[in-house]
Amino acid sequence: EVQLVESGGGLVHPGGSLRLSCVASGFSFSNYWMTWVRQAPGKGLEWVANTKQDGSEKYYLDSVKGRFTISRDNAKNSLYLQMNSLRAEDTAVYYCARLSGRYYQYYFDNWGQGTLVTVSS
Amino acid sequence: EIVMTQSPATLSLSPGERATLSCRASQTVIRNLAWYQQKPGQAPRLLIYGASTRATGIPPRFSGSGSGTEFTLTISSLQSEDFAVYYCQQYDNWPPFTFGPGTKVDIK
Repeated sequence: EVQLVESGGGLVHPGGSLRLSCVASGFSFSNYWMTWVRQAPGKGLEWVANTKQDGSEKYYLDSVKGRFTISRDNAKNSLYLQMNSLRAEDTAVYYCARLSGRYYQYYFDNWGQGTLVTVSS
Repeated sequence: EIVMTQSPATLSLSPGERATLSCRASQTVIRNLAWYQQKPGQAPRLLIYGASTRATGIPPRFSGSGSGTEFTLTISSLQSEDFAVYYCQQYDNWPPFTFGPGTKVDIK
């Protein structure tokens, strides 16, 4: 059974930093693209970033470029999101998800339960 | 960026009724379109990918259709567990991956 478990969320002041983690199990982590998607309270889904199997390609939402960094450690079956210079508008539940598909046409087939990040003074 | 829109915003129906949800893309996404279901306090769940292929474990009352810019998710006979928010998402042209704003299916 595919499992994705996020952690690392919490309350942080504007301008602060936080590192989210996602531990994967039940599948061969190193064979899949992985992604972070967020959902502000009461709002819809917003893709944040994704990374190729070996970390050689990474893509970001424009509003987080230069502030967030996605990374992975395939030896630890783990995905990370380093979030710096946090803003109030980054407040959201952050989900990690696995990408499936082929030839750069990927949908999100398994999701973690999410971790809440609150940016407030 | 491809903008996704969904209609209606809310659909009020009774159990056993048929639900028809629409999704439109601002430019063609061919058939690279997925549908997700989200219940309160839960993560989204993949229902449909490739516009019409049901994901593993999804019951046949869920069906997807369409291509290009117009897509439909149909729930043939609503069960109590189907009342939720449904999102469409394009994965043809990214970054960014983009989602529609969602359609809430609630009990009439």
